[in-house]
Amino acid sequence: QSALTQPPSASGSPGQSVTISCTGTSSDVGAHDHVSWYQEHPGKAPKLMIYEVSKRPSGVPDRFSGSKSGNTASLTVSGLQAEDEADYYCSSYVGGNNLYVFGSGTKVTVL
Amino acid sequence: QVQLVESGGGVVQPGGSLRLSCVESGFTLSYTGMHWVRQAPGKGLQWVTFIRYDGGDKHYADSVRGRFTISRDSSKNTVYLQMSSLRAEDTALYYCATDGPRPYSFGFWGQGSLVTVSS
Repeated sequence: QSALTQPPSASGSPGQSVTISCTGTSSDVGAHDHVSWYQEHPGKAPKLMIYEVSKRPSGVPDRFSGSKSGNTASLTVSGLQAEDEADYYCSSYVGGNNLYVFGSGTKVTVL
Repeated sequence: QVQLVESGGGVVQPGGSLRLSCVESGFTLSYTGMHWVRQAPGKGLQWVTFIRYDGGDKHYADSVRGRFTISRDSSKNTVYLQMSSLRAEDTALYYCATDGPRPYSFGFWGQGSLVTVSS
């Protein structure tokens, strides 16, 4: 199972928006709405930010939003803040033996 | 407060074995499926394996199937990852993570246990 494709990097100034794409296939991202997003700060464990394409767990700011079109899911961070600078990973349920696949990761820089 | 603590990592020679443990506190592990996810140095996340809350269903990534075994002891609130026939490419930080509580997601993560396979 190949990793989902994400851009290596993305950036924006404070207050701006940045959108990260996550491209898979009709067997994973395109097959259902079981896509989630994780934020990882250096030296810290990943944190769930979005699940089921667009739902936010309690405690996650509404600046974070998710969407999907076909085989590509997206994470948008609006009103960028310094603490949003981190690595972001998408994940999709695959099923079968290889239950899940992660994206290649995107480093978001706040300029 | 959910807390997961991994242990058991270290340096092992190629072909060797190691067992990781993941102890939870703050919730009832007995009703929660658990995953192991790894991250090679400077690389992205990779799903490794899953065990259902009752241990009745297990899944493995192709890269570890036949070499790694996941198990759990609910009486000890602990999930294990037995790793054998280790290879250099298994070198990574291994995280345990809960299945949920949100559907089809990794809700809570430990801080990871580092495994280094090197001669």
